[in-house]
Amino acid sequence: DAKTTQPTSMDCAEGRAANLPCNHSTISGNEYVYWYRQIHSQGPQYIIHGLKNNETNEMASLIITEDRKSSTLILPHATLRDTAVYYCIVRVAGGKLIFGQGTELSVKP
Amino acid sequence: NAGVTQTPKFRVLKTGQSMTLLCAQDMNHEYMYWYRQDPGMGLRLIHYSVGEGTTAKGEVPDGYNVSRLKKQNFLLGLESAAPSQTSVYFCASSRDNSPLHFGNGTRLTVT
Repeated sequence: DAKTTQPTSMDCAEGRAANLPCNHSTISGNEYVYWYRQIHSQGPQYIIHGLKNNETNEMASLIITEDRKSSTLILPHATLRDTAVYYCIVRVAGGKLIFGQGTELSVKP
Repeated sequence: NAGVTQTPKFRVLKTGQSMTLLCAQDMNHEYMYWYRQDPGMGLRLIHYSVGEGTTAKGEVPDGYNVSRLKKQNFLLGLESAAPSQTSVYFCASSRDNSPLHFGNGTRLTVT
C-alpha cells in the first residue's frame, strides 16, 4: 500500500475554505484515495474518496492531480465543528485501510 | 439498521486476564477490520477479514487472535492481556470497494 504524507497541523478561519494537502507519490494505478476524519475519540467518519477524477459530495471536494501523486481535500465553508484530525489514505480496491498520522485541523472563530 | 456495534464499550483487565471483544454488523459486508488507537496516535490495523472463515494479519497482530465464524461477527481475543494493550479498539466493515463503516470503539485498560 502506498504511503501518504500530510502536514501535522493546520489552522483555518471559520467560514473560510479549508484546503488539506496530501502527498502520495508512490500510488499505484488501482489505488483509491480516501479521506476520513476523527473528532475527539469517536470512530473515524468517512468523508470522500476518488480514483482519478475530482469528486464532490455534500461534505467536501477532492481534487486529485493529473499524475495522481497528490490530492487536496477542500471543506468549502469550515465551521467550528469541522475541527478534527483528517486522514488521507490510499487503498487498493477491496484492500485494507492503513492510517497515517493525519492532519489536525483547528477551525478558529 | 444499527451499522457496526462493538461490545463492550469499556473494560478494565488485570495483567494476564483474557477477554473477547465482539464486533457485529448488519449491513451484509464482506470485509471486517480491527484497529487499535493509542493516545495521540493514528489507527493501526491489528487483523482483518475478507470473508466468513478467513482472517489475515495487519500491522500489529502480536498478542491478538481473531475469528470470523459468521459473516456478521468479527471477534478479537486477548489471551493474556498486557499493559501495552491498553488502547481504544475500533471495528470497521465494508463491501469490496466501499468506504469503511466504523463502530464507536471499546476502551480497554490493562492494569
